Amino acid sequence: EPEVTQTPSHQVTQMGQEVILRCVPISNHLYFYWYRQILGQKVEFLVSFYNNEISEKSEIFDDQFSVERPDGSNFTLKIRSTKLEDSAMYFCASNPGQGRHEQYFGPGTRLTVT
Amino acid sequence: LAKTTQPISMDSYEGQEVNITCSHNNIATNDYITWYQQFPSQGPRFIIQGYKTKVTNEVASLFIPADRKSSTLSLPRVSLSDTAVYYCLVGDPMNSGGYQKVTFGTGTKLQVIP
Repeated sequence: EPEVTQTPSHQVTQMGQEVILRCVPISNHLYFYWYRQILGQKVEFLVSFYNNEISEKSEIFDDQFSVERPDGSNFTLKIRSTKLEDSAMYFCASNPGQGRHEQYFGPGTRLTVT
Repeated sequence: LAKTTQPISMDSYEGQEVNITCSHNNIATNDYITWYQQFPSQGPRFIIQGYKTKVTNEVASLFIPADRKSSTLSLPRVSLSDTAVYYCLVGDPMNSGGYQKVTFGTGTKLQVIP
């Protein structure tokens, strides 16, 4: 069964550094998302992406964040200058479109900012 | 998005059927009801989705009464591996022509006891 994959599984970075989190959505899916979950808290929506552009973003997704689909398979989340409060699990998800509503989530990347 | 209310936690013995009820009094005409499961340190996993009456798949059943103001996720004969957080979500998957982000609440923490 096809799965969403994410790399790395764990990323440790120093405050102020840039990080890029990578995702490979399920092939032929059309809609892509990033969510984050701070330890012990709810899963929070960050951004959705369709047809090579952002379709919706939350108030969390400020100018420090950007997303890109550089080729036909990868979907990346970049944080330009990480802050301590960016420490969280980051989940990528994809949706096939075509009348199907469920989202398929990846295993997540644990980001630790020191 | 319609607000949902579900129990914070539930305990069940192995082999029993578990029913988790979710209240969504303000559900709109176009809203679907979706349930996700999340294990610790993993991404949420789609379980089931429905609009009305009963939906069944290989994992669970979803019961939705005629007024759609509540729904019940039924897990038959749970095992220890079903210990997880279960999220009830209500929304229109096709909001504004796109595929809507998923908005998670706090979920129901199910603990299966041997």
